Amino acid sequence: AQKVTQAQTEISVVEKEDVTLDCVYETRDTTYYLFWYKQPPSGELVFLIRRNSFDEQNEISGRYSWNFQKSTSSFNFTITASQVVDSAVYFCALSLYNQGGKLIFGQGTELSVKP
Amino acid sequence: DAGVIQSPRHEVTEMGQEVTLRCKPISGHNSLFWYRQTMMRGLELLIYFNNNVPIDDSGMPEDRFSAKMPNASFSTLKIQPSEPRDSAVYFCASRSTSGGAYEQYFGPGTRLTVT
Repeated sequence: AQKVTQAQTEISVVEKEDVTLDCVYETRDTTYYLFWYKQPPSGELVFLIRRNSFDEQNEISGRYSWNFQKSTSSFNFTITASQVVDSAVYFCALSLYNQGGKLIFGQGTELSVKP
Repeated sequence: DAGVIQSPRHEVTEMGQEVTLRCKPISGHNSLFWYRQTMMRGLELLIYFNNNVPIDDSGMPEDRFSAKMPNASFSTLKIQPSEPRDSAVYFCASRSTSGGAYEQYFGPGTRLTVT
């Protein structure tokens, strides 16, 4: 069975701190995709990044970076120099190539960045 | 470009009433997904369509729920009769399977309250 685990339910940091959100996934498939979505207080779900199972290169986009390690089945997300606007719930999700794209979401991590 | 459009944004109804949620996917996208978000169960897939054809409805809770996609630019999710436990935020998402892109783009959601 496929599963995504985000063990951190809530994280609270002070502005300018670095913070890492953990994501561990389970699947026996060899072709799959991993995603991060952001859900700010307004409620919409915003796509942040997609990674496929054949590409373990880490990625950096501004203050955001992602670390994908197949050996530990993890796809962690780091925010450097956090800002108040980063406060949101962040979801990690898994999609299997042979299941038409349905997303299996983790339970989400609520990040609170205080000024 | 317009994103995924959902209507209504908020719906309050009494138990036993019929509820219809609407979704317009991003133009050119050929897959459409309906998700439900609750505190207890998180984000879960209800049903998805490829090229207007329902592919997987295993997430539909029971026969009270039905979904249609009469054309590439419109989908509905209907609950009849509604029950208080159906109260949730319902998201519609779409994606294009061309060009190797697999990320889904979400609408703003419909917050449904059944009293």
